[in-house]
Amino acid sequence: EPEVTQTPSHQVTQMGQEVILRCVPISNHLYFYWYRQILGQKVEFLVSFYNNEISEKSEIFDDQFSVERPDGSNFTLKIRSTKLEDSAMYFCASRKDRGQSEQYFGPGTRLTVT
Amino acid sequence: GEDVEQSLFLSVREGDSSVINCTYTDSSSTYLYWYKQEPGAGLQLLTYIFSNMDMKQDQRLTVLLNKKDKHLSLRIADTQTGDSAIYFCAEIGLLGLTGGGNKLTFGTGTQLKVEL
Repeated sequence: EPEVTQTPSHQVTQMGQEVILRCVPISNHLYFYWYRQILGQKVEFLVSFYNNEISEKSEIFDDQFSVERPDGSNFTLKIRSTKLEDSAMYFCASRKDRGQSEQYFGPGTRLTVT
Repeated sequence: GEDVEQSLFLSVREGDSSVINCTYTDSSSTYLYWYKQEPGAGLQLLTYIFSNMDMKQDQRLTVLLNKKDKHLSLRIADTQTGDSAIYFCAEIGLLGLTGGGNKLTFGTGTQLKVEL
């Protein structure tokens, strides 16, 4: 069964450094998402992406964040200058098309900022 | 903004039924979902219900929706130790749908512990 994959599973970085989190959505899906879950807190929406542009973003998704679909398979989240409070589990999700409501999630990348 | 709330913990004996409850505030909620998260793993979509339905059954899972009270529940029949996980309720409101983003708003998650 097709699934969303994410790499790396765990990333440790120093404050101020740039990180890129990678996702490979399910191959025939058209809508892509990033969510994050700070330890012990709710899963929060960050951004949605369709047709090579951001369709919606949350207040969390400020200028330090960017997303890209550099080729036909990868979907990346870049954090330009990481802060301690960016430490969280980051989940990628994908959805097939407009007529389908289900979002399928990847296993997540745990980002630790020291 | 939208809010989704769940109780934090539920403990049941193996073989019993589990009922996990969720309340939400968005009266325009169109789709409501249940996701399962096992330790160290991602979010697995279990089932979902469209807002014009009252009930949906899928094998051991029964979803009940009371739209008037904005209350959603997930019943797991014959609960097994493998059902131990965190269960998240999530919703998409009309604004989320029409905005094109289809963003999910998640609850706090309910930790289900199944005891022998």
